[in-house]
Amino acid sequence: QKEVEQNSGPLSVPEGAIASLNCTYSDRGSQSFFWYRQYSGKSPELIMFIYSNGDKEDGRFTAQLNKASQYVSLLIRDSQPSDSATYLCAVNPGNQFYFGTGTSLTVIP
Amino acid sequence: SQTIHQWPATLVQPVGSPLSLECTVEGTSNPNLYWYRQAAGRGLQLLFYSVGIGQISSEVPQNLSASRPQDRQFILSSKKLLLSDSGFYLCAWGGGRGYYEQYFGPGTRLTVT
Repeated sequence: QKEVEQNSGPLSVPEGAIASLNCTYSDRGSQSFFWYRQYSGKSPELIMFIYSNGDKEDGRFTAQLNKASQYVSLLIRDSQPSDSATYLCAVNPGNQFYFGTGTSLTVIP
Repeated sequence: SQTIHQWPATLVQPVGSPLSLECTVEGTSNPNLYWYRQAAGRGLQLLFYSVGIGQISSEVPQNLSASRPQDRQFILSSKKLLLSDSGFYLCAWGGGRGYYEQYFGPGTRLTVT
């Protein structure tokens, strides 16, 4: 069983819509959860982190965490073409980080 | 603020040649340091991590090695490269037990020919 699972997509949404990205994890001891954005040919960029159950909002981004269901999601409101990228989910149960394989998002103008 | 550097940015090496990639971090002390590899169209594979000088944990047995000669310096090496070593090598700092973020450097794109 993989530590972190994501739907690889591709996910396509029209400009201005809400993009919803999902992630499940297997280690119940995980304490911190992260979303990275990776543009083609570039390194991953941290865009959101969440440590407690519930929602965390930062601009157009909202991270949602449900530890009981071992589920974390990322919502992108008012999606823009510049949001087109691969989004990586990561969890940190200790010194190591476990990454999903990423979801490719395309925002269509 | 913290900054992480990697060099070189790109590298083309023949099979059987040695490798040395360097990563340095500025603006923090005693960071956890990590080496990842991302093959084309694949996810991130953790290769090594270090919680302090001289302390290296290896995640994947292979022909690569890592060293941490100074607090904010992390080096990835190989004596003889294989074709399968091609990929995007990423250094990261941060992490730890509890609530710590992890940040990536710009990466080194290695092509073994």
